[in-house]
Amino acid sequence: GQQLNQSPQSMFIQEGEDVSMNCTSSSIFNTWLWYKQEPGEGPVLLIALYKAGELTSNGRLTAQFGITRKDSFLNISASIPSDVGIYFCAGLLVGGAQKLVFGQGTRLTINP
Amino acid sequence: EPEVTQTPSHQVTQMGQEVILRCVPISNHLYFYWYRQILGQKVEFLVSFYNNEISEKSEIFDDQFSVERPDGSNFTLKIRSTKLEDSAMYFCASSGTGEQPQHFGDGTRLSIL
Repeated sequence: GQQLNQSPQSMFIQEGEDVSMNCTSSSIFNTWLWYKQEPGEGPVLLIALYKAGELTSNGRLTAQFGITRKDSFLNISASIPSDVGIYFCAGLLVGGAQKLVFGQGTRLTINP
Repeated sequence: EPEVTQTPSHQVTQMGQEVILRCVPISNHLYFYWYRQILGQKVEFLVSFYNNEISEKSEIFDDQFSVERPDGSNFTLKIRSTKLEDSAMYFCASSGTGEQPQHFGDGTRLSIL
């Protein structure tokens, strides 16, 4: 089946540092989404990307849809304690299937 | 902001029993989904539902699973005879169209004893 390889699996950083994580796949996706999950909650949508090459920002978050449509990255600038959580990439496949394929997640821990 | 709501937040059930997980999708959304997340693992697709029928399902969604939209607001997932390996977080999601982002509820933690 389709797989998204997300890296890194975990990150331990100091408050104020920038963060970068990415997802790659052998499959082509129509849409890339980035979600954040905190303990006891469902994934919350951060950014949606619809076109190859698209670069989109949401506050301190920036994400890009790769030109090949097989990868995406998420950057967080000037991290703050509330950025702690698990970040998931997810892709919607070409061909009309509505199922989201999720990456394994990146667990972000921030030292104040 | 409208949100997807799920009940109960935690369900504990004996193995072999039937369980029904409930969801109220965002009111003007037309596409509904169930996903599950085993502890410490990634979110996995179970089923998508549109126009009162299943549009796609994964291999996890076997004959023990069924979904229903019994009225204009609820969307349910039924597991007929639960197994230990069904223990997981179950997330409901909805979207306006099949291409729009899916919005998730906070999940139901299902524990099978």
